[in-house]
Amino acid sequence: SQTIHQWPATLVQPVGSPLSLECTVEGTSNPNLYWYRQAAGRGLQLLFYSVGIGQISSEVPQNLSASRPQDRQFILSSKKLLLSDSGFYLCACTRAGEVQYFGPGTRLLVL
Amino acid sequence: QQQVKQSPQSLIVQKGGIPIINCAYENTAFDYFPWYQQFPGKGPALLIAIRPDVSEKKEGRFTISFNKSAKQFSLHIMDSQPGDSATYFCAASIMNTGFQKLVFGTGTRLLVSP
Repeated sequence: SQTIHQWPATLVQPVGSPLSLECTVEGTSNPNLYWYRQAAGRGLQLLFYSVGIGQISSEVPQNLSASRPQDRQFILSSKKLLLSDSGFYLCACTRAGEVQYFGPGTRLLVL
Repeated sequence: QQQVKQSPQSLIVQKGGIPIINCAYENTAFDYFPWYQQFPGKGPALLIAIRPDVSEKKEGRFTISFNKSAKQFSLHIMDSQPGDSATYFCAASIMNTGFQKLVFGTGTRLLVSP
């Protein structure tokens, strides 16, 4: 079964600073990868998904971008963080229609 | 049409009670309905899932009831325990495309009192 790693676990960043969150997956190949954001006490909002290296689809217009430089690596970035970017960011993966598994998440606080 | 509506927003039951969380959807193309359990500060974990060709699925103390005609499904937790206190999310997706894009409900925060 696959294991999803996310880092950092927690991040405090000033407004206007850049962001890079990393997600890596073990135990599977050619997964579909996803980035979600969860605001405090809210549901999960799909931000980006990727079906392969270099293939990124965006679900909502925002201050963030995503990249997939390797098969099992998914990166979430921003050039300039906004206060509204604060939240809990979750990486998830599926393969060939199987169950979607979530990583442990990164808590981001923008001050 | 892509929304999944979940209720209640929060729920308090006593130990041993049977909390019930309900979800409704509009898109009849959905063919996979999972429930996720999330503890504070952790990622959601799959609890149980159902396909629309069955009306009920049970795994341990967790049961999904599915009503295809009403486009509704619900989670029942039998003999609830304080350790079940968590946020529960229903979701729906179309599985046969080989790519799974889940649509999540807004979550239900469950508290099971001792």
